[in-house]
Amino acid sequence: KNEVEQSPQNLTAQEGEFITINCSYSVGISALHWLQQHPGGGIVSLFMLSSGKKKHGRLIATINIQEKHSSLHITASHPRDSAVYICAVKGWGGGADGLTFGKGTHLIIQP
Amino acid sequence: GAVVSQHPSWVICKSGTSVKIECRSLDFQATTMFWYRQFPKQSLMLMATSNEGSKATYEQGVEKDKFLINHASLTLSTLTVTSAHPEDSSFYICSAVTFEPTDTQYFGPGTRLTVL
Repeated sequence: KNEVEQSPQNLTAQEGEFITINCSYSVGISALHWLQQHPGGGIVSLFMLSSGKKKHGRLIATINIQEKHSSLHITASHPRDSAVYICAVKGWGGGADGLTFGKGTHLIIQP
Repeated sequence: GAVVSQHPSWVICKSGTSVKIECRSLDFQATTMFWYRQFPKQSLMLMATSNEGSKATYEQGVEKDKFLINHASLTLSTLTVTSAHPEDSSFYICSAVTFEPTDTQYFGPGTRLTVL
């Protein structure tokens, strides 16, 4: 069973700061997801990565398969970025696999 | 992007009653849907894999007779919590898988169940 660890668990920063959230996992994966969960509970998929780096707007996600580690970066952070960010990994089972989730990083961006 | 809906978004019920939660993929067909559960301050946990036209696959520790899953069509999966108890109170989230153009999961908005 894959163990997914995120750090930090909680992060409070000022508007405009560069944010980094880390995720490590214990067993090789086929893909890693970064998800955003707002207070109401709904989940939005930000990225799915299997290698390298992806960028979407102010968000950047990287993954190092050898080190079993991924990072999510937010540039020029804004209060609307306040949410829980969740890392989830997908194994190598055949067909569609359910994800294994980290506990999430609770991010608060203060104006 | 692809959209997945859940209904209801929240439900309050008495202990002992059954509650049905629907998960629909609105603009794509999903042969596979997943059901997750999230307790307060906890991470999401996979409950079961729902495959259209076949029996669901349950994760260890999840009672299949308590959490009935029906995936009767390519756009609809239902989760029925039977004889609900207060400890079943949780946030239930579904996701639907599409393989076009790549293997991607789209999440529903979740259903908050409170059992009194």
